[in-house]
Amino acid sequence: DAGITQSPRHKVTETGTPVTLRCHQTENHRYMYWYRQDPGHGLRLIHYSYGVKDTDKGEVSDGYSVSRSKTEDFLLTLESATSSQTSVYFCAIREAGHSYEQYFGPGTRLTVT
Amino acid sequence: DAKTTQPPSMDCAEGRAANLPCNHSTISGNEYVYWYRQIHSQGPQYIIHGLKNNETNEMASLIITEDRKSSTLILPHATLRDTAVYYCIVETTDSWGKLQFGAGTQVVVTP
Repeated sequence: DAGITQSPRHKVTETGTPVTLRCHQTENHRYMYWYRQDPGHGLRLIHYSYGVKDTDKGEVSDGYSVSRSKTEDFLLTLESATSSQTSVYFCAIREAGHSYEQYFGPGTRLTVT
Repeated sequence: DAKTTQPPSMDCAEGRAANLPCNHSTISGNEYVYWYRQIHSQGPQYIIHGLKNNETNEMASLIITEDRKSSTLILPHATLRDTAVYYCIVETTDSWGKLQFGAGTQVVVTP
């Protein structure tokens, strides 16, 4: 299994509070991604990173920011959580070059009350 | 708009081959076909990918039609652990790996 961990695994927070989710990898892969998954739907890309300090927006980036200050960590921040951000969040990694498969973390279940 | 079309669900008997179809009629010449699966509550798992040739690995086989407008993922001997949602995705290799997941096919393997 790829070395990806996510923390916390579960979190309940109140509307309006800031929340930071962490993705940590031990594979030294260049690319990292944050997705969210809502009931009955596939995953949707929030933000991604193609290197340290290099990030860009995905399909559903409003209300989220990210940071990547070192290769192994990719942080997702909800500046002011809303109930619509209740979801399961998955991190993924991919190495550079011709290996296109992504490896996913176990997910973080976030509930905003 | 979704780039792929998959049936919402299908059943398969344990030990039999599972053939999962995917239509991607608007696929471009530089787009690959990827297959991932997601077992309940877990992160998606990469299965296989291909451009135009058929591919096989230890998990599955991928058959892509000559016109590339459709493909079939084959699980040769389905087991109960293959029960999952299977996603067919088409993406270019220069898209920074930004995968677009659809709703996928819920596969239930029955004893």
